Amino acid sequence: DVKVTQSSRYLVKRTGEKVFLECVQDMDHENMFWYRQDPGLGLRLIYFSYDVKMKEKGDIPEGYSVSREKKERFSLILESASTNQTSMYLCASSFGSGGYEQFFGPGTRLTVL
Amino acid sequence: GENVEQHPSTLSVQEGDSAVIKCTYSDSASNYFPWYKQELGKRPQLIIDIRSNVGEKKDQRIAVTLNKTAKHFSLHITETQPEDSAVYFCAAIFTGGGNKLTFGTGTQLKVEL
Repeated sequence: DVKVTQSSRYLVKRTGEKVFLECVQDMDHENMFWYRQDPGLGLRLIYFSYDVKMKEKGDIPEGYSVSREKKERFSLILESASTNQTSMYLCASSFGSGGYEQFFGPGTRLTVL
Repeated sequence: GENVEQHPSTLSVQEGDSAVIKCTYSDSASNYFPWYKQELGKRPQLIIDIRSNVGEKKDQRIAVTLNKTAKHFSLHITETQPEDSAVYFCAAIFTGGGNKLTFGTGTQLKVEL
């Protein structure tokens, strides 16, 4: 049974703070993804990674960075949090080439004050 | 650019009725079209998917149809039940996108007793 976990369910930060969101998967998946979910906008891809130390920009990478030092862990970093980054953040993972089904984590509700 | 449009944004049906959600996509070479269901407060989960070499796929009360010529695909839920109430997302894999999914904006389905 695939398990994707995220470090926090709820997080409150102040404007300008550096924020780390952690995602861990236990199924040896090659691919990992970070999305933000906002009402009426669906799931928008921020960054993704197909391998350790590899990253690619998604559709809305501005204001974010990522780190993948180990295969099972993918971190999303908000260098200087802003109020417009208040959102639900979802991590997902999938198998390698041809592994299209994505398994999602429970999400982190981030509020930036 | 790569785009998936989803309609309607909200859908209310009576228990036992059918529900249909439609998506259109921009890349004629897309070859994989999944549907995810997200219940309130939970993570999105894959419920059904279809590949471009198939026109229709069924799984009990849910079915997906694909019209490659018109570049649209639809989710059909028959005999709706209260537990079908959720947000549904369509998605597509675009050419050159590897395993990256582009999601629609979601449909809030409410099944009323």
